[in-house]
Amino acid sequence: AQSVTQLDSQVPVFEEAPVELRCNYSSSVSVYLFWYVQYPNQGLQLLLKYLSGSTLVKGINGFEAEFNKSQTSFHLRKPSVHISDTAEYFCAVSRQASGGSYIPTFGRGTSLIVHP
Amino acid sequence: DAGVIQSPRHEVTEMGQEVTLRCKPISGHDYLFWYRQTMMRGLELLIYFNNNVPIDDSGMPEDRFSAKMPNASFSTLKIQPSEPRDSAVYFCASTLGGTLKPYEQYFGPGTRLTVT
Repeated sequence: AQSVTQLDSQVPVFEEAPVELRCNYSSSVSVYLFWYVQYPNQGLQLLLKYLSGSTLVKGINGFEAEFNKSQTSFHLRKPSVHISDTAEYFCAVSRQASGGSYIPTFGRGTSLIVHP
Repeated sequence: DAGVIQSPRHEVTEMGQEVTLRCKPISGHDYLFWYRQTMMRGLELLIYFNNNVPIDDSGMPEDRFSAKMPNASFSTLKIQPSEPRDSAVYFCASTLGGTLKPYEQYFGPGTRLTVT
């Protein structure tokens, strides 16, 4: 079974400060990891993903995440946040379901609140 | 493509009434997912379909909930009878079912359901 733990439910930060949103996963097989972002009153949209290759993954809006297999983590970072980054962020791990296709399991989400 | 389309965007109904939520996935996607999002429980997977066939409905909370996908371009989630605890945002998402790697999910804007 696979699961995702987002260690912080809420992360307040001031504008232009760096931020890290933490995600740990558990899996007994190869993993594929995602970060999604949900802006207020919208659906989730993909921020970045790790499938294979370089452990440092760059996404949209200046976000990046690092896959750390030994620590089973996939933390999301941004060196300087903007007010517009205020949103809910979800970490997800894909599992291979019956039939061979991949189904995501989402974490509980982390609310990033950027203050001016 | 217009993306995943959901209707209505908002629904207010009285306890005991039947509620039907609708979803049109992205053309060509063969997987469709229904999620429920609440503050208490986060994002929950209710059911998903592959090629219009329900694959896993273990997340459907009760027999009051039912979902159908009569064709590749339309799905419904029905609650009958509705209860105040069903109040939530319901999301539909679609994706391609890759067996070599997972693809990202595309979410609709959601339907905010309020049961009074």
